[in-house]
Amino acid sequence: DAKTTQPPSMDCAEGRAANLPCNHSTISGNEYVYWYRQIHSQGPQYIIHGLKNNETNEMASLIITEDRKSSTLILPHATLRDTAVYYCIVRVGGDYKLSFGAGTTVTVRA
Amino acid sequence: DSGVTQTPKHLITATGQRVTLRCSPRSGDLSVYWYQQSLDQGLQFLIQYYNGEERAKGNILERFSAQQFPDLHSELNLSSLELGDSALYFCASSVAPGQGAEGYTFGSGTRLTVV
Repeated sequence: DAKTTQPPSMDCAEGRAANLPCNHSTISGNEYVYWYRQIHSQGPQYIIHGLKNNETNEMASLIITEDRKSSTLILPHATLRDTAVYYCIVRVGGDYKLSFGAGTTVTVRA
Repeated sequence: DSGVTQTPKHLITATGQRVTLRCSPRSGDLSVYWYQQSLDQGLQFLIQYYNGEERAKGNILERFSAQQFPDLHSELNLSSLELGDSALYFCASSVAPGQGAEGYTFGSGTRLTVV
């Protein structure tokens, strides 16, 4: 699995967009980008995933650069409940395990 | 409620003892994954079962073992416990290996404390 690099922490104001960067410069053509988050020792929660195209769901948007070497997770209107550790993971489609790194600790402030 | 049920939620036991953690996957999911999360190690993949068969192994100690039963629930057995085994243990399930990340659902975990 390709490794990812994320900033260790970031703050965000409530109601503002939170943009979480992730570098995955060694990503292979068949590797997907996934985002999960973990709220205070709860089980990790799936957010979104993508291969090449930008993706959006009810939780977030995922922007993947054209060369696929980096991506950004966007939480459009951060709330206090979005305070969590966010993990960017790349893995081959059809692979079985998710390899978690240290993630980014996001703190949303009122 | 994610649909993945883990029991017990908390467990306190002494060094040298053996414990069993249980996981019931989400309805319809055939694959079960076990993860360990300790303070200094982050989330570590331990082992995966698919429809009763071991599918993949990660950093699982020889003192640890797991199995998946015909009803698809899984148990993680931890023996000869050491203080360093204190951690959160998460179970996750998916329909089938690699069947989309959105099908990979985690339970709320078991917090094991070894004293």
